[in-house]
Amino acid sequence: EAGVTQFPSHSVIEKGQTVTLRCDPISGHDNLYWYRRVMGKEIKFLLHFVKESKQDESGMPNNRFLAERTGGTYSTLKVQPAELEDSGVYFCASSQTWGQEYFGPGTRLTVT
Amino acid sequence: GDSVTQMEGPVTLSEEAFLTINCTYTATGYPSLFWYVQYPGEGLQLLLKATKADDKGSNKGFEATYRKETTSFHLEKGSVQVSDSAVYFCALSDQGNTPLVFGKGTRLSVIA
Repeated sequence: EAGVTQFPSHSVIEKGQTVTLRCDPISGHDNLYWYRRVMGKEIKFLLHFVKESKQDESGMPNNRFLAERTGGTYSTLKVQPAELEDSGVYFCASSQTWGQEYFGPGTRLTVT
Repeated sequence: GDSVTQMEGPVTLSEEAFLTINCTYTATGYPSLFWYVQYPGEGLQLLLKATKADDKGSNKGFEATYRKETTSFHLEKGSVQVSDSAVYFCALSDQGNTPLVFGKGTRLSVIA
């Protein structure tokens, strides 16, 4: 069974540019989560999808971040325009039930 | 709000040494507790978990006991191996059905 995959593995962009991160969850997992780890800090929750619906987006830092999950399969997280403080590692996870999240390898975003 | 505090790293040990990584938590409800591990180049993997007081989670020789009286969930292993080198994250989910709250992570390096 394929695990959670994320693309790209690393992205370097300039401040003000747009970046789109993609996550492909494990097939059949209705729950999809985005987390991020800013350098030296904790991994923080961003949002949670159940199928294509946003169940909880309380962790989204501001309106420069837009997450979608069309069709309830893969998800994208767009940052527009990117700021320096957005640099970090963005993790995606999926699950069938709470407490059984499977994480992807993460996308390392560097904003210069 | 909920929070997790774990010992700062990095921790460097010789092979076969005893490992303890301290983790304490603050939660408004009755949380489930987790240890995740991230090996180099990989995503976060669930190492072990416990859902109620005095439960002991164990996996791959690692153990952690849910101590409600001290709000702790310390990770231990009796004899570490070089292959245990990774970053370890303590985490909680309040009531077991909310997004994960992570500690900052502890990097462990085991040398032969």
